[in-house]
Amino acid sequence: SAVISQKPSRDICQRGTSLTIQCQVDSQVTMMFWYRQQPGQSLTLIATANQGSEATYESGFVIDKFPISRPNLTFSTLTVSNMSPEDSSIYLCSVAVLNYGYTFGSGTRLTVV
Amino acid sequence: DAKTTQPPSMDCAEGRAANLPCNHSTISGNEYVYWYRQIHSQGPQYIIHGLKNNETNEMASLIITEDRKSSTLILPHATLRDTAVYYCIVRVATYGGSQGNLIFGKGTKLSVKP
Repeated sequence: SAVISQKPSRDICQRGTSLTIQCQVDSQVTMMFWYRQQPGQSLTLIATANQGSEATYESGFVIDKFPISRPNLTFSTLTVSNMSPEDSSIYLCSVAVLNYGYTFGSGTRLTVV
Repeated sequence: DAKTTQPPSMDCAEGRAANLPCNHSTISGNEYVYWYRQIHSQGPQYIIHGLKNNETNEMASLIITEDRKSSTLILPHATLRDTAVYYCIVRVATYGGSQGNLIFGKGTKLSVKP
């Protein structure tokens, strides 16, 4: 199955700033997904990132707050913009690989102070 | 995708079988049952999936009832490292288009005790 490298693994950021999270896959994949996991909660899908097109956002998530790039079939970034303490969460990227299912990165633990 | 119902928590003694139930009474004919787990501070890990036949791999067994409205994940010899949140997810087995993502419920927190 695919191997995902996600960076940074954790960060502490000041409110009002932005953080860009990187997701690198060791094989070409069509679709990449970004999830948020708030403290003590399950995973919530933020958006689906397709190479060569705009990301598709789920209800409650907007591009201005969570801009996504997908420059090629092995890489994507998620930016958390103008952060507030409510953005403190674990952010995870995931890919779907035919016959292997879904693989997840190890996550980025973000704390906004 | 069909919704699932799982108990919020379960305990299991180390070395014993852990049986995790999942109800999915509104499952459609083309939807598979997937199980993932999330060990603390890690990303979710795939365990097993099935359509209607029972499945077994090196990690676990999946038992699906004949009417497909419920299933049980079996960890045959639970260890302390199996302590995690286990998610039961039903979805169609496609990886593209608008059906490409996984929808997570609250899962079952399994605690394996010595």
